[in-house]
Amino acid sequence: DAGITQSPRHKVTETGTPVTLRCHQTENHRYMYWYRQDPGHGLRLIHYSYGVKDTDKGEVSDGYSVSRSKTEDFLLTLESATSSQTSVYFCAISASQGEAPLHFGNGTRLTVT
Amino acid sequence: QKEVEQNSGPLSVPEGAIASLNCTYSDRGSQSFFWYRQYSGKSPELIMFIYSNGDKEDGRFTAQLNKASQYVSLLIRDSQPSDSATYLCAVNDYGGSQGNLIFGKGTKLSVKP
Repeated sequence: DAGITQSPRHKVTETGTPVTLRCHQTENHRYMYWYRQDPGHGLRLIHYSYGVKDTDKGEVSDGYSVSRSKTEDFLLTLESATSSQTSVYFCAISASQGEAPLHFGNGTRLTVT
Repeated sequence: QKEVEQNSGPLSVPEGAIASLNCTYSDRGSQSFFWYRQYSGKSPELIMFIYSNGDKEDGRFTAQLNKASQYVSLLIRDSQPSDSATYLCAVNDYGGSQGNLIFGKGTKLSVKP
């Protein structure tokens, strides 16, 4: 299995509080991604990174920010959590963009009350 | 907006039968195609990928790609109850979103003993 660790695995937080999810990889892959998965919507890309300090927006980036200060770590921050951000969040890594497959972490289940 | 379409199912097949899962995509320039399996409450795991027209076989799984008709399919031979899961099709967004993968919403497969 690809070495991808997401933390925390579960989190419950209140509306308006900041939340940071962490993704750590041991594969030294250049590309890292954050997806959210919701019933009826499938997997949707939030943000991705193509290198240290190089990030870009995905399909559903509003309300989220990311940072990548090291190759192995990719952080997703919800600056002020809302109930619409209740979801399962998956981190993924890839050796190349769009050509090589993605490998997913185990996910973080976030509930915003 | 580029789209990847899958029948949501559930697709129900008896044990030992062939399960056929289909996916159509809108981006004629897409060149990379992936099938993922996702058990309930788990993360997606890669089953197969295919880049060229035709068939690609791996054990009980066969991926079929027809670029002219813009569809990709996954055949599962000798289906087992352990194959019961949701199957996600993913296609690279050629020419947009820097080639990142777009996921279908998945087809739920149920294999009955």
